[in-house]
Amino acid sequence: SQTIHQWPATLVQPVGSPLSLECTVEGTSNPNLYWYRQAAGRGLQLLFYSVGIGQISSEVPQNLSASRPQDRQFILSSKKLLLSDSGFYLCAWSQGLSYEQYFGPGTRLTVT
Amino acid sequence: GENVEQHPSTLSVQEGDSAVIKCTYSDSASNYFPWYKQELGKRPQLIIDIRSNVGEKKDQRIAVTLNKTAKHFSLHITETQPEDSAVYFCAASYSGTYKYIFGTGTRLKVLA
Repeated sequence: SQTIHQWPATLVQPVGSPLSLECTVEGTSNPNLYWYRQAAGRGLQLLFYSVGIGQISSEVPQNLSASRPQDRQFILSSKKLLLSDSGFYLCAWSQGLSYEQYFGPGTRLTVT
Repeated sequence: GENVEQHPSTLSVQEGDSAVIKCTYSDSASNYFPWYKQELGKRPQLIIDIRSNVGEKKDQRIAVTLNKTAKHFSLHITETQPEDSAVYFCAASYSGTYKYIFGTGTRLKVLA
């Protein structure tokens, strides 16, 4: 069966510091991968998605970036965090031509 | 741009009663409509979905209906239980892609 991992689970970072969040999927190949952000008490905002290695589509302009160095690895990064980057970051995957998306456990980021 | 409206934002029901959450989408090409349940601090979990070639789908106490003409779909939970308390999100597929547009969420409280 497929499993999706995210780490770290929680993170507290000062404004202006860099960020790297990692997501990996097991038990499947060539998944579509997604990064979402959820502000406290709010909905899900799609940040990036990827249909293959090195293929990244950005949904919103921001100081975040994403990379997919391996088939089942998706990384979210920032060079300098802003207070507004605080939130619950969720990675999700879907199987190639399938619509169903499954979420990872999330990373709760607090920028101080 | 594409949009999914979700109502109500909060809903309180007595245990055993039914709950209905409604969503309206704007992209007539959307053809997949999932519903997610998110408990406090947890990841969203896919609970039911429906495709545009189906008008209704049921899974035990939950059901989803779709009206393509009116571009709206609804989640129905019967015989509600306290463990149904959570935030529920609807979503619609973005035309021609496997991306989702999410609704803003409904906080359901089932009162014992």
